[in-house]
Amino acid sequence: KNEVEQSPQNLTAQEGEFITINCSYSVGISALHWLQQHPGGGIVSLFMLSSGKKKHGRLIATINIQEKHSSLHITASHPRDSAVYICAVDTDKLIFGTGTRLQVFP
Amino acid sequence: NAGVTQTPKFRILKIGQSMTLQCAQDMNHNYMYWYRQDPGMGLKLIYYSVGAGITDKGEVPNGYNVSRSTTEDFPLRLELAAPSQTSVYFCASSNRQYHSNQPQHFGDGTRLSIL
Repeated sequence: KNEVEQSPQNLTAQEGEFITINCSYSVGISALHWLQQHPGGGIVSLFMLSSGKKKHGRLIATINIQEKHSSLHITASHPRDSAVYICAVDTDKLIFGTGTRLQVFP
Repeated sequence: NAGVTQTPKFRILKIGQSMTLQCAQDMNHNYMYWYRQDPGMGLKLIYYSVGAGITDKGEVPNGYNVSRSTTEDFPLRLELAAPSQTSVYFCASSNRQYHSNQPQHFGDGTRLSIL
């Protein structure tokens, strides 16, 4: 069993929909990271959180340490949000999930 | 700001050839990392460095070597390329401090094919 599991693996949405991507992990962590990988391949850090909730524009990340679970929400999704979203847990080194491929259609 | 710069962006090698993937960062970060990304898999750590002159193995170090002679540069060397090393390679850096997590900054990746 992978130490970091993401769901769903693939997600399609219509523009404007509310998106939720989930991440569960089985190890003790000091922080959890959400990353975005665009079709061109570059990887960008979206959030790093160790408790509670963070918001940046239309993106919201939450984490429940007791349940070892995090969610990434995108409100009012847009085609430019189409990307692979990667969850990674920080255990001194990063352990990465396999990513969720999101496609948002106009 | 350039951030993390990787060269080359693409490369095709023949089995048995050697090459060096270059990585440079201009943020004065102490930590640097090399990852590989294979289709359907999460990124895997190859090697990392906590500062100049210090390197350590990650999860998948076999077939690779690294050096860190300066804070800025962290090259990854493939000595005898094998088809199993076909992958996309990412270099990253962070300003990690004791008891303080920091986000990692990634380069744009190097797509390497071994034929």
